Amino acid sequence: AQSVTQLDSHVSVSEGTPVLLRCNYSSSYSPSLFWYVQHPNKGLQLLLKYTSAATLVKGINGFEAEFKKSETSFHLTKPSAHMSDAAEYFCVVSEVSSASKIIFGSGTRLSIRP
Amino acid sequence: DTAVSQTPKYLVTQMGNDKSIKCEQNLGHDTMYWYKQDSKKFLKIMFSYNNKELIINETVPNRFSPKSPDKAHLNLHINSLELGDSAVYFCASSQGVWKSTDTQYFGPGTRLTVL
Repeated sequence: AQSVTQLDSHVSVSEGTPVLLRCNYSSSYSPSLFWYVQHPNKGLQLLLKYTSAATLVKGINGFEAEFKKSETSFHLTKPSAHMSDAAEYFCVVSEVSSASKIIFGSGTRLSIRP
Repeated sequence: DTAVSQTPKYLVTQMGNDKSIKCEQNLGHDTMYWYKQDSKKFLKIMFSYNNKELIINETVPNRFSPKSPDKAHLNLHINSLELGDSAVYFCASSQGVWKSTDTQYFGPGTRLTVL
């Protein structure tokens, strides 16, 4: 069965330090994986996606994620946090088998300390 | 111009009422979606339409009925509103017939509060 687990509900880092948001998935097929960001009272915006090409994916605003099949992980990283990165982040897994197999993780709230 | 827009932004209503939320996209996309986000931020897909045809219909009460008058619009009508319907509802769209690799473009959300 398809599932996605975001291991931390809340991450707090200081401005200028690295960010790591963790995501593990399970999928019966070759999955597509996404990270979306939701700023307060806004809709979701795509940060990056993995679609079976390069395993290291670069996204907007300096974020990147690495698809590791052996670890079934797709962790999101950024070398240096900025205050504007404070938001809710969602890891999403999508399977080719069925359009209804779009599963969102429970979200990780990222806080940035000055 | 806003790519995916929803109206209203906020909706406060009494239990038992019927209400509609409208969604429009000006991206020329063929597929549109409705999602429900609960108070814990959990997002779940409810419906998806491709070119006015229903392609995803998850297990939601039949009080919820989507309507797509054309491929740029997907409205959500809710009958006999219940307290548990309180949530933020997001509309989204993606290009072409649905593929697992598609990026979805989300609207700003409609916060529904049922009293």
